[in-house]
Amino acid sequence: KAGVTQTPRYLIKTRGQQVTLSCSPISGHRSVSWYQQTPGQGLQFLFEYFSETQRNKGNFPGRFSGRQFSNSRSEMNVSTLELGDSALYLCASSLFGNYGYTFGSGTRLTVV
Amino acid sequence: AQKITQTQPGMFVQEKEAVTLDCTYDTSDQSYGLFWYKQPSSGEMIFLIYQGSYDEQNATEGRYSLNFQKARKSANLVISASQLGDSAMYFCAMRESKGNAGGTSYGKLTFGQGTILTVHP
Repeated sequence: KAGVTQTPRYLIKTRGQQVTLSCSPISGHRSVSWYQQTPGQGLQFLFEYFSETQRNKGNFPGRFSGRQFSNSRSEMNVSTLELGDSALYLCASSLFGNYGYTFGSGTRLTVV
Repeated sequence: AQKITQTQPGMFVQEKEAVTLDCTYDTSDQSYGLFWYKQPSSGEMIFLIYQGSYDEQNATEGRYSLNFQKARKSANLVISASQLGDSAMYFCAMRESKGNAGGTSYGKLTFGQGTILTVHP
């Protein structure tokens, strides 16, 4: 079956712009989480959605937002991009937490 | 707050030998889950193995086993018979316990800083 699909794979944006990243979970998975990975901070939790509701949120500024649609697909948006937002953004979906979270290949965002 | 510590920034192992990657954790939760993920240079996070805090037996998945010592709060990953394809970054992670709705547990994963494993031929 298809895995977690993240689009686009690579993105280059200019400071001050905004960006939207997309994540399609594994069919039947209703929970979607987002993580930011940088060399300096490592992997940090952004937010988690379940049944279109944000259930959990990490310590990121309000410029980072997300949503989940009725088909469980999720988007995250970053407004007023800063150079420090350059990172690999990973999406993960899960059916039951005990079985692990399945990650997508990520979107590599570069802010110039 | 939960914390994961991986003290080995890099590890080297000879092909076909076993290697242990260290992970210690800190949590005040009684119920938690521990995970190991592999991240090759492509960036994708690959799930390897899971251990629940109430599981009495160490988890095993093929060549991967998790040496779970609850009292010491450690969850080391053991890779037996290393292969060249095992060269990658390895992350230990812990899931906090949150609510449970509709059969799906939810809660964030807290990751360690990772260990880069290099397998030599």
